[in-house]
Amino acid sequence: EAGVVQSPRYKIIEKKQPVAFWCNPISGHNTLYWYLQNLGQGPELLIRYENEEAVDDSQLPKDRFSAERLKGVDSTLKIQPAELGDSAVYLCASSPREGSTGELFFGEGSRLTVL
Amino acid sequence: DAKTTQPPSMDCAEGRAANLPCNHSTISGNEYVYWYRQIHSQGPQYIIHGLKNNETNEMASLIITEDRKSSTLILPHATLRDTAVYYCIVRLRSGGYNKLIFGAGTRLAVHP
Repeated sequence: EAGVVQSPRYKIIEKKQPVAFWCNPISGHNTLYWYLQNLGQGPELLIRYENEEAVDDSQLPKDRFSAERLKGVDSTLKIQPAELGDSAVYLCASSPREGSTGELFFGEGSRLTVL
Repeated sequence: DAKTTQPPSMDCAEGRAANLPCNHSTISGNEYVYWYRQIHSQGPQYIIHGLKNNETNEMASLIITEDRKSSTLILPHATLRDTAVYYCIVRLRSGGYNKLIFGAGTRLAVHP
C-alpha cells in the first residue's frame, strides 16, 4: 500500500516569493492534516480536512497561508508571500474516518528554506 | 487538553531495553495515550496506543499506571535504528474527530 506522498521534498526560495506544497493521502483516507514542524520542535497542526471540508483551520495564518482539498483527495498548501520565519518542514498526514484507531499516517515532509 | 511531560533526551545501549517515561497527570477518563516516533528526516510514525490496559505489539509495549497519570514506552531490545525522537501524546477529541497535539518529545540515542 502506498503511503502519503508529498512534493517537493525540498524547496529554497527568497522571501516574498510564493510557494506551494502538494500532498496525496493514502487511498480511502477521508481525513487529511497539514502540520508545521520547526527545528527541534514537535509538529503543530495547521489545518485538518474531513473530505473536502476544512473542519479545523484555527491555527492556519490566513493572511499568507491557504489550503485546499479539491474533490476530497489531494491537497495543496500555499504560502504567499513567504517570510524568513516560514522556514520549516511541512508535514502532511492522513487517517481513516473517525472510529478507527486514531493512527495518523505521515508523509516524509517538505522542507522549506526561505532566504 | 491533557499535556504531557517527557525527558528531553535519553541514552540506551544497543540490545538493552529502552524505557521512555511520560507524565500526563491531567488526562481525562476518555483520553488515550499515543506514542509516535520520528526518525531523522522522516515523518512521525505511529508506535502504539492505549486507554488503561497495558498494550503490546511488534514494535513496543505500553505500560499505563493504574491512575493513568503516567506511562512508559518499552522497546525491549533497542537497535541503532531505534534512534529517534519519541512523542507521547494524549488524544484530544474535538468535535468527534481525532486530534493529536505533539510536544517536544524525548530524543533517544541508541549507542553500540
